[in-house]
Amino acid sequence: DIQMTQSPSSVSASVGDRVTITCRASQDIRNLLAWYQQKPGKAPKLMIHAASRLQSGVPLRFSGSASGTDFTLTISDLQPEDLGIYYCQQADSFPRTFGPGTKVELK
Amino acid sequence: QVQLVQSGAEMKKPGASVRVSCKTSGYDFDSYYIHWVRQDPGQGLEWMAKIDPSGGGTDYAQRFQGRITVTRDTSTSTVYMEVRNLRSDDTAVYYCARPWGYCTGGVCSDAFDVWGQGTLLTVSS
Repeated sequence: DIQMTQSPSSVSASVGDRVTITCRASQDIRNLLAWYQQKPGKAPKLMIHAASRLQSGVPLRFSGSASGTDFTLTISDLQPEDLGIYYCQQADSFPRTFGPGTKVELK
Repeated sequence: QVQLVQSGAEMKKPGASVRVSCKTSGYDFDSYYIHWVRQDPGQGLEWMAKIDPSGGGTDYAQRFQGRITVTRDTSTSTVYMEVRNLRSDDTAVYYCARPWGYCTGGVCSDAFDVWGQGTLLTVSS
């Protein structure tokens, strides 16, 4: 199975800050990576697919990038509604595997 | 609109079985796989299984193989997941999810763009 790791496990930032979350795959996943946002008590929400493609309706302050097996989710201008836990997930092979999550909190 | 509506919370004793349902609407049921993902309390997400509603073919994560069965009812556009021999560590929220397909650089894959609301299963004696 492909292992996904994320860092940091949590980040505390202020409104307007730039937040960066990193995800690493244990092997080449051909940029087949998705990012999800999850709020308490809710199902995950797809934010980005194919490592860098914004899902329809997702604000442009979100962006994704890839370099080999390293992936980055950036929130360029943190807003209160962006708080939650962010998970990466590889879509290269089954079983699909998720990173452990990064909690984004307000400072 | 596209919706996945799951059955309600369940409380079961160890050793029992449970069946969770995921009723779909708003799209052609046969055209999209349905996946099951579980989330242990306060923990991350774990992929469990998928089913092809058109033919009923399934694929299970190895650690659940033999203990879960996913089926579908095409007449009601509903997918079911049965978990047998429940243990306390099966306590979790179970989600069904529908993938959205895309292609990039000549490779095609998918991501889960529609999710059910989740079903909380509590296993306790």
